Amino acid sequence: DSGVTQTPKHLITATGQRVTLRCSPRSGDLSVYWYQQSLDQGLQFLIQYYNGEERAKGNILERFSAQQFPDLHSELNLSSLELGDSALYFCASSVEGWADTQYFGPGTRLTVL
Amino acid sequence: GENVEQHPSTLSVQEGDSAVIKCTYSDSASNYFPWYKQELGKGPQLIIDIRSNVGEKKDQRIAVTLNKTAKHFSLHITETQPEDSAVYFCAASIRGSNFGNEKLTFGTGTRLTIIP
Repeated sequence: DSGVTQTPKHLITATGQRVTLRCSPRSGDLSVYWYQQSLDQGLQFLIQYYNGEERAKGNILERFSAQQFPDLHSELNLSSLELGDSALYFCASSVEGWADTQYFGPGTRLTVL
Repeated sequence: GENVEQHPSTLSVQEGDSAVIKCTYSDSASNYFPWYKQELGKGPQLIIDIRSNVGEKKDQRIAVTLNKTAKHFSLHITETQPEDSAVYFCAASIRGSNFGNEKLTFGTGTRLTIIP
């Protein structure tokens, strides 16, 4: 168990809908990272938050957004969902930044029908 | 940006034999190379990493080698066991950069199956 929790474990929704994925980092970790894992593209970095502020952006679509709250949990919001958004979404956390080991949560499997 | 290629995509080895997974990277400034193991239904877990100031690192049955000139690094698993069956990902990043490009870039993964 990495200490990172994610909810829900599975999510099934329809095209055009909006969903929110939730992540709680390990106790003491200030950075949260979101990744998308699809069959054809492997693990793609989406966005990083550090202590409530956006720190780095990767291949995140404009339809996606994230935030980190004062208690350091983070939410990833996906809107106007398309079939191609079906994937595993992982959250990872680290003590501070990229120089620290990232610990991954169990992921949320999103299926868009 | 950084591009990491990983081979093979699938690998089957007899229990007790060795397994080797290879990755190449494109950005010569990359200086940190972790390897992650992902078991079914779980998130990736760091198993070993290497920095560019060393050529090899070993931890029990797992070793990683780095060739900076060729921009190539490999994961070696010896005396494989059934519990080694998983998907393995290599990654590369530039740690300590002031340019905001420290992001981890992952390879596409290798599904390793250990045959009992």
